[in-house]
Amino acid sequence: DTGVSQDPRHKITKRGQNVTFRCDPISEHNRLYWYRQTLGQGPEFLTYFQNEAQLEKSRLLSDRFSAERPKGSFSTLEIQRTEQGDSAMYLCASSSQRTEAFFGQGTRLTVV
Amino acid sequence: TQLLEQSPQFLSIQEGENLTVYCNSSSVFSSLQWYRQEPGEGPVLLVTVVTGGEVKKLKRLTFQFGDARKDSSLHITAAQPGDTGLYLCADSSGTYKYIFGTGTRLKVLA
Repeated sequence: DTGVSQDPRHKITKRGQNVTFRCDPISEHNRLYWYRQTLGQGPEFLTYFQNEAQLEKSRLLSDRFSAERPKGSFSTLEIQRTEQGDSAMYLCASSSQRTEAFFGQGTRLTVV
Repeated sequence: TQLLEQSPQFLSIQEGENLTVYCNSSSVFSSLQWYRQEPGEGPVLLVTVVTGGEVKKLKRLTFQFGDARKDSSLHITAAQPGDTGLYLCADSSGTYKYIFGTGTRLKVLA
């Protein structure tokens, strides 16, 4: 296993379109996180899964955002009706109870 | 809500110089992680420190955790262009959720 994998790496979309990102965590990790990072800032927590259960959602995650982890393995993050303010780097991370979080390379979203 | 402040925000130095960056928390750390992030990439874990007063070394990087577990420093000796990046401190806040500082953006000029 080579680490956390995210797809796509880059996404340019028009305002109002829907986008979906995928994250494949490290295989033995049962915890999965989504973070958002804007220029000049540290990552901000969006949501957390333990296995397939979504245990917490940040207030940053508006109704237009939805995340799933259907079989406790990969996860998807969907943004509906994108807005320019959604432009950011979306980071996925995974961990087990005994390890720190390891991050993927991120998906850079640009809404035009 | 815990706040992590990092200083300086930006640092530009010549290759071979030494530098120190700082991370201060508004509350006691549960466990402190330092990450480095290169442009367009995700953060990469450098080290975890847990015990107050702990010092860890990773080649030319020295990480120090304050006795009161509310502050930390990262010292780089003889910086190289490959050290360029955004240095982030983070706390797991005793839960699964990580809180990050705003980062120190380091540029090492050849």
